[in-house]
Amino acid sequence: ETGVTQTPRHLVMGMTNKKSLKCEQHLGHNAMYWYKQSAKKPLELMFVYSLEERVENNSVPSRFSPECPNSSHLFLHLHTLQPEDSALYLCASSLGTSGTYNEQFFGPGTRLTVL
Amino acid sequence: AQSVAQPEDQVNVAEGNPLTVKCTYSVSGNPYLFWYVQYPNRGLQFLLKYITGDNLVKGSYGFEAEFNKSQTSFHLKKPSALVSDSALYFCAVRESRGNEKLTFGTGTRLTIIP
Repeated sequence: ETGVTQTPRHLVMGMTNKKSLKCEQHLGHNAMYWYKQSAKKPLELMFVYSLEERVENNSVPSRFSPECPNSSHLFLHLHTLQPEDSALYLCASSLGTSGTYNEQFFGPGTRLTVL
Repeated sequence: AQSVAQPEDQVNVAEGNPLTVKCTYSVSGNPYLFWYVQYPNRGLQFLLKYITGDNLVKGSYGFEAEFNKSQTSFHLKKPSALVSDSALYFCAVRESRGNEKLTFGTGTRLTIIP
């Protein structure tokens, strides 16, 4: 195990539902990330948090709303999603965001299906 | 802008044979390079990285990668493939300076044939 856990592992939701993905890291890291993984596409970085402050938002639609209450926990709140949002959502953490500390440790992912 | 290319979507290798998974990159300065592996229904696991120093980097599970600056490549290699090496492999790059994010390739599916 990598020390990064994600719940739930699978989620099926309708377009009008509201749900949240949870990520927790037990590594003492200061940075956390949300990625979207779709088939045959590069990993898409969605959000980066460093010391609980959002440092990057890669033009992600507002129907995805991140929350980082502390350096160990990261949430992704979902509402009014579209079927094309179906993907594997990966959480990762790293010691920091600069220099050599950007080696990232990934959770197992949440497989999201939007009906 | 930085980028990484994995030219092969799929690589098949017979068990016991050497394997190579290719990666080329583009950055404006010096690169930090990474290989990750993803097994079915799992997240990405770190294999190895090049930061500086020796061009041949050794990592987990007997894998190694060679940094070639002139060819801007960082190919992943293993002398003798195991069936358990079958997985999806991702190369990633970032600029060594600043807070540039990691850029990942599209992945190469490696299948080891018994």
